[in-house]
Amino acid sequence: EVQMVESGGRLIHPGGSLRVSCAASGFSIENYAVNWVRQAPGKGLDWVSGISGTTGKTNYAVSVKGRFTILRDNSKNTLHLQMNSLSEEDTAVYYCAKGLYAGERDGFDVWGQGTLVTVSS
Amino acid sequence: QSVLTQPPSVSGTPGQRVTISCSGSSSNIGSNIVNWYQHLVGAAPKLLIYSDDQGPSGVPDRFSGSKSGTSASLAISGLQSEDEADYYCAAWDDSLNSVVFGGGTKLTVL
Repeated sequence: EVQMVESGGRLIHPGGSLRVSCAASGFSIENYAVNWVRQAPGKGLDWVSGISGTTGKTNYAVSVKGRFTILRDNSKNTLHLQMNSLSEEDTAVYYCAKGLYAGERDGFDVWGQGTLVTVSS
Repeated sequence: QSVLTQPPSVSGTPGQRVTISCSGSSSNIGSNIVNWYQHLVGAAPKLLIYSDDQGPSGVPDRFSGSKSGTSASLAISGLQSEDEADYYCAAWDDSLNSVVFGGGTKLTVL
């Protein structure tokens, strides 16, 4: 079964750093695009970052560029999101999502259940 | 303010047909495929339509997508109570080099 399971979300103070992870099973993440999408409380879905399959090209939303880094560990079939300089605006449920194909422009056909990141003093 | 514009809410009665619009620009919908997602409260988002008008296996054919120019639409026919959810359109944006989502549309089944 194709599955993605996020972990690592917790309460973190403003200015802090946090890494959330996503363990994939049933497919190889190096062959597909994998992404992070978040949803802040009461808000809509907001794409954060993605990494293309095979090429490993990374892309970021303007709001997180320079602060967040998407990392892919092919040996563990795991995706990470390293988040630095966190602010309260980053408070959200973070979902990882698998792309239909290797490209960055395709739909996301498998989603995890999400991990909650709360940035608060 | 989302790059893609959707109506905040739509409603319909069981059995009715409703449509949700998604308006963009030449850098996103006008030059890239549109995907639609259904998000039920407490659940993970689900891919409903991909590549403008393709339905993944397992998605009822009551759901259909279309695109013309810089706008796209999701149609739901034979409305059912379990269709009550938030719906999002999304597309790649060539100017931003990122995926952009619509603000979401809340569907209420009366």
